[in-house]
Amino acid sequence: GAVVSQHPSRVICKSGTSVKIECRSLDFQATTMFWYRQFPKQSLMLMATSNEGSKATYEQGVEKDKFLINHASLTLSTLTVTSAHPEDSSFYICSARAFQGQNTEAFFGQGTRLTVV
Amino acid sequence: AQSVSQHNHHVILSEAASLELGCNYSYGGTVNLFWYVQYPGQHLQLLLKYFSGDPLVKGIKGFEAEFIKSKFSFNLRKPSVQWSDTAEYFCAVNAKAAGNKLTFGGGTRVLVKP
Repeated sequence: GAVVSQHPSRVICKSGTSVKIECRSLDFQATTMFWYRQFPKQSLMLMATSNEGSKATYEQGVEKDKFLINHASLTLSTLTVTSAHPEDSSFYICSARAFQGQNTEAFFGQGTRLTVV
Repeated sequence: AQSVSQHNHHVILSEAASLELGCNYSYGGTVNLFWYVQYPGQHLQLLLKYFSGDPLVKGIKGFEAEFIKSKFSFNLRKPSVQWSDTAEYFCAVNAKAAGNKLTFGGGTRVLVKP
């Protein structure tokens, strides 16, 4: 299957700083990328959907000014957690899909464990 | 609200036992259905998927799932589990009615005792 690479895999940052997480599709062009958040022992919660070249669509309750998403190219999307606080500590996962339509599979990155101290 | 429901949060069984995990969704119209597995400390892996055609789908590692449209269900099955099947299993639905977003169920944590 296709490969999605997420970087970094782990990051620890101080409260009040910003952290950028990268998601790259290595062997295909990702028209659509999704960002998820997974709390311990819970399911993946969709945060936002981004289509290349357009603004991300955020799910209800997700602060767009806090979680900045950029999908500037067909192989790269970034999630920036701005002014991070301890409650932002979580496991963030990206996934990428080649087409906007339904009949295609999304591939997942390895995830990034963010710890805000 | 439209959602994806997994009925069992935790399942404990012995090796060689049969496994069935329930998944129901509430979206109307065309759906694509997926089962993912997350082994301890690892990222999500696709077990199987249904887009169209035969509603009985066979996946990797001996898993299969059956799409029953009338019941809005996509249950996962494995006839004989192994200790290595200990993992968390997620059902996911991609529905046109939901804007083609992949929505996950709450997950089922499966523990297989040796």
